[in-house]
Amino acid sequence: DAKTTQPPSMDCAEGRAANLPCNHSTISGNEYVYWYRQIHSQGPQYIIHGLKNNETNEMASLIITEDRKSSTLILPHATLRDTAVYYCIVEDFGNEKLTFGTGTRLTIIP
Amino acid sequence: DVKVTQSSRYLVKRTGEKVFLECVQDMDHENMFWYRQDPGLGLRLIYFSYDVKMKEKGDIPEGYSVSREKKERFSLILESASTNQTSMYLCASSLRVNYGYTFGSGTRLTVV
Repeated sequence: DAKTTQPPSMDCAEGRAANLPCNHSTISGNEYVYWYRQIHSQGPQYIIHGLKNNETNEMASLIITEDRKSSTLILPHATLRDTAVYYCIVEDFGNEKLTFGTGTRLTIIP
Repeated sequence: DVKVTQSSRYLVKRTGEKVFLECVQDMDHENMFWYRQDPGLGLRLIYFSYDVKMKEKGDIPEGYSVSREKKERFSLILESASTNQTSMYLCASSLRVNYGYTFGSGTRLTVV
């Protein structure tokens, strides 16, 4: 069974915040949440990861609910170059391999 | 910047041929991975390696083998290519999973 559930597609207006949800209701205490994105014709790109605290870097913010059963990736000011497939992945700490699902196709609308 | 280089962007091979897909990384990463990507199925892990000469099966290893004789190079081998192995193949490397994977640009393999 898949560890995460994501909507297959979303649209967001350029310049607005893009909020991508991910459900991981069976997450265990040792499992991290990772986000990657894949722009057309390229390999996936690492964005951010977290365990239970909210995280922010130059690309995005990751908000994890207190019960850790869901998370949201936030792109604060979406641009056309953010159009991509976004993957939410849950994996055990210490497990070096990641299992990618089918992700959310985010389209930024001009 | 870490670079992961895949030897070919596009490849066309005949059914039954032995096919080598090469991947080289330049940042001394321990971990290397081979995925394939097909429409509607996302990325699926074929094989991975934690160290030189070490390999482990991923989710779909059937029909594939790998070789890691040097730390920087991880080769995917299709012993006898079949049409159902037509796909995009992606190589990745990482120091540790928490530092993120770096992917190559992919090799689109067509088996005819």
